[in-house]
Amino acid sequence: DQQVKQNSPSLSVQEGRISILNCDYTNSMFDYFLWYKKYPAEGPTFLISISSIKDKNEDGRFTVFLNKSAKHLSLHIVPSQPGDSAVYFCAAMTTDSWGKFQFGAGTQVVVTP
Amino acid sequence: KAGVTQTPRYLIKTRGQQVTLSCSPISGHRSVSWYQQTPGQGLQFLFEYFSETQRNKGNFPGRFSGRQFSNSRSEMNVSTLELGDSALYLCASSLQGRTEAFFGQGTRLTVV
Repeated sequence: DQQVKQNSPSLSVQEGRISILNCDYTNSMFDYFLWYKKYPAEGPTFLISISSIKDKNEDGRFTVFLNKSAKHLSLHIVPSQPGDSAVYFCAAMTTDSWGKFQFGAGTQVVVTP
Repeated sequence: KAGVTQTPRYLIKTRGQQVTLSCSPISGHRSVSWYQQTPGQGLQFLFEYFSETQRNKGNFPGRFSGRQFSNSRSEMNVSTLELGDSALYLCASSLQGRTEAFFGQGTRLTVV
């Protein structure tokens, strides 16, 4: 049962423009949501997180938005840079299963010059 | 500050054998989680340990087991290997009370 879904397997964006990655979830008990970036042959790298009591969190070029009523979150990257080309995963966790992340399938982002 | 270290990086085993993978967390991190990544199933949670106790377990058969030592280092073991166990095995560590987990580079296991 896939509780976290990333329905876009790929995204192509021009350098300098905004990248918007989307993630939907089905479990209303999730308390925390995180985004990770992954390069080939490396482990995922933590980008940004958000608690279910918030609707927005910013960190530099990265902003995560959470819409609990729609069970939807998104990651905005502004401006996109060539080094942002990677696979992005969203993940979710409940506080009673600390450390147990449910991951989406990932979105491959390609930033073109 | 050293990151999460997983050894070995690559491993080739034969069906029916067993394998042990090792993970050294970031210093001070007492929570260690293990994940399996395959092209078909994505990142799947295996188990999580904190202070030598397994707190959470994913939906994997009993052939998959793990443990954590007093220095927070963790090992996972897979017995009676099957071809379908070929995957990238990732370990992550986190600080108590912090949501973000930091991943190692993984161990690429190939079962032939």
